Amino acid sequence: DAKTTQPPSMDCAEGRAANLPCNHSTISGNEYVYWYRQIHSQGPQYIIHGLKNNETNEMASLIITEDRKSSTLILPHATLRDTAVYYCIVGSSGTYKYIFGTGTRLKVLA
Amino acid sequence: EAGVAQSPRYKIIEKRQSVAFWCNPISGHATLYWYQQILGQGPKLLIQFQNNGVVDDSQLPKDRFSAERLKGVDSTLKIQPAKLEDSAVYLCASSLSLNEKLFFGSGTQLSVL
Repeated sequence: DAKTTQPPSMDCAEGRAANLPCNHSTISGNEYVYWYRQIHSQGPQYIIHGLKNNETNEMASLIITEDRKSSTLILPHATLRDTAVYYCIVGSSGTYKYIFGTGTRLKVLA
Repeated sequence: EAGVAQSPRYKIIEKRQSVAFWCNPISGHATLYWYQQILGQGPKLLIQFQNNGVVDDSQLPKDRFSAERLKGVDSTLKIQPAKLEDSAVYLCASSLSLNEKLFFGSGTQLSVL
């Protein structure tokens, strides 16, 4: 079973920030939080990952709460091309297998 | 840098037939994954290799599915015999090593009629 919980869908206006929440209350101390997105008919694409500290790259920012039980992916200026399913997953300690849930379907509206 | 290559892109077969999918990971990536993605669902891990050894295959239906990664590079996933419920996209991913980010191929879309 997936170790994360995400809302099934969200809408965001083009140009606005998209904030996608994820709950991972059972995360272990050495497990990372990864975010991927999947645009229709393509394989998932890596976005960002983090352990404890907030992270930022050219695609997005990742905010992890101090207790590490939840996180938020932020797309600062959403465009129509950001319409996709976004998956939050945690790496399983030991075997490091990545279990995907059903993700959040983000629709960016013009 | 070349990405993860998968073939074929599409495959249509009848139930009880056999089918094979091929994956060539990014050069130097030790870890290789096969996922099954049924329409409307997230990818489900089938098997994970580290070099040419199996790390996890707990979700692989071993009565009909098999996978190998000879020489620790490319990999083949086979279904024999196929069932209607095997209709899905089969995704291959690779990573530099365990606990590194995954790079996915475009997948093989299988339709079993």
